[in-house]
Amino acid sequence: KAGVTQTPRYLIKTRGQQVTLSCSPISGHRSVSWYQQTPGQGLQFLFEYFSETQRNKGNFPGRFSGRQFSNSRSEMNVSTLELGDSALYLCASSSRDRPLTVAYNEQFFGPGTRLTVL
Amino acid sequence: AQSVSQHNHHVILSEAASLELGCNYSYGGTVNLFWYVQYPGQHLQLLLKYFSGDPLVKGIKGFEAEFIKSKFSFNLRKPSVQWSDTAEYFCAVITPQVGQGGKLIFGQGTELSVKP
Repeated sequence: KAGVTQTPRYLIKTRGQQVTLSCSPISGHRSVSWYQQTPGQGLQFLFEYFSETQRNKGNFPGRFSGRQFSNSRSEMNVSTLELGDSALYLCASSSRDRPLTVAYNEQFFGPGTRLTVL
Repeated sequence: AQSVSQHNHHVILSEAASLELGCNYSYGGTVNLFWYVQYPGQHLQLLLKYFSGDPLVKGIKGFEAEFIKSKFSFNLRKPSVQWSDTAEYFCAVITPQVGQGGKLIFGQGTELSVKP
């Protein structure tokens, strides 16, 4: 099976612009989680989508949003970019079959999208 | 709120030295614990995980970790490191509550440099 893919791999934007990042999960996986990785804050959870619905959200401002499509592909959007949004954005998918299950299924990570805000 | 603390930010070892990376979490209830590794230029990969049972868990590439509930710790160990173990290591937890299954809480990471 192909792994998690993320596009684009690199992006350069300027302050005030908006950006959309894409994630294709492993075939058959319905859960997609997004994380932000920075040297200062480490890896922080952004949100999780399951069956096109956001199931959990981290402590990020409303400028960060996402969605999931019927084929489980997911996008995240950041509006009104700030310098502090420069980061590696990681997507992970898992084979959880129910959105509210307490069971954990391993998350498989993609290579990430490196966003630089100038 | 749950949090994870990794004691060492950067560890430098020579090949064949033993490794122990510390990880503590703050949460009073049941947790699932993980160690992930990020090799230079590669994806985050799962090294090992603990859900229940034997507190000593073995993972890939000779790594193991011990869960000590009384100390809220999950330290990673390897008896003899290799140059190829140079990477960043992340401890993470999930609280097995309804709706939390997709949310990993990570520590700050420990960069390991192994000198040949």
